[in-house]
Amino acid sequence: QVQLVQSGSELKKPGASVKVSCKASGYSFTTYAMNWVRQAPGQGLEWMGWISTNTGNPTYAQDFTGRFVFSLDTSVSTAYLQISSLRAEDTALYYCARAPHYLDYWGQGTLVTVSS
Amino acid sequence: EIVLTQSPGTLSLSPGERATLSCRASQSVSSSYLAWFQQKPGQAPRLLIYGASSRATGIPDRFSGSGSGTDFTLTISRLESEDFAVYYCQQYGSSPRTFGQGTKVEI
Repeated sequence: QVQLVQSGSELKKPGASVKVSCKASGYSFTTYAMNWVRQAPGQGLEWMGWISTNTGNPTYAQDFTGRFVFSLDTSVSTAYLQISSLRAEDTALYYCARAPHYLDYWGQGTLVTVSS
Repeated sequence: EIVLTQSPGTLSLSPGERATLSCRASQSVSSSYLAWFQQKPGQAPRLLIYGASSRATGIPDRFSGSGSGTDFTLTISRLESEDFAVYYCQQYGSSPRTFGQGTKVEI
């Protein structure tokens, strides 16, 4: 069965970096793109962008350019989200989601907390 | 950017009642590339509907989607206790792939 398993919660200080992983299983990893979605505490869903698991080419939504980087390690069927220069407002749940076009399978989410 | 506006913000209903949720787009959604998701507290979103009206695998037939262009609807024919949750629409026809702000269905 298709599964996306994300890395555990992170507590970081402002200015630090974090790397969230999303390990896929149950399907051919390079067949479907991987999307990233953010959910701030008590808020709705924000689409951050996606990465082609075939070419490695990322596409970022406007609010997620500069400090956010999507990457892959296809040898272990894993996608990554790296956030640098963390700010308090980056505190959120981050989800990976597989996308044939629509987001059909989601990871369980990774909580990133930024606090001094 | 396509802005999706969901209404109402909160829907207060009882089990057995019919729920009608609206998602209106600021411009036409190409090829009816509109999806609906359900999210319960502490859980990841779950895909309910894609292509505006196709149910995802394992989704009960009390959930149905309709609409095209700029107006879309999610209908839950008879609410069951496990359906009380927040529902989001998302368009995936153009970039950025925007979400609506959500509708909370509560008892």
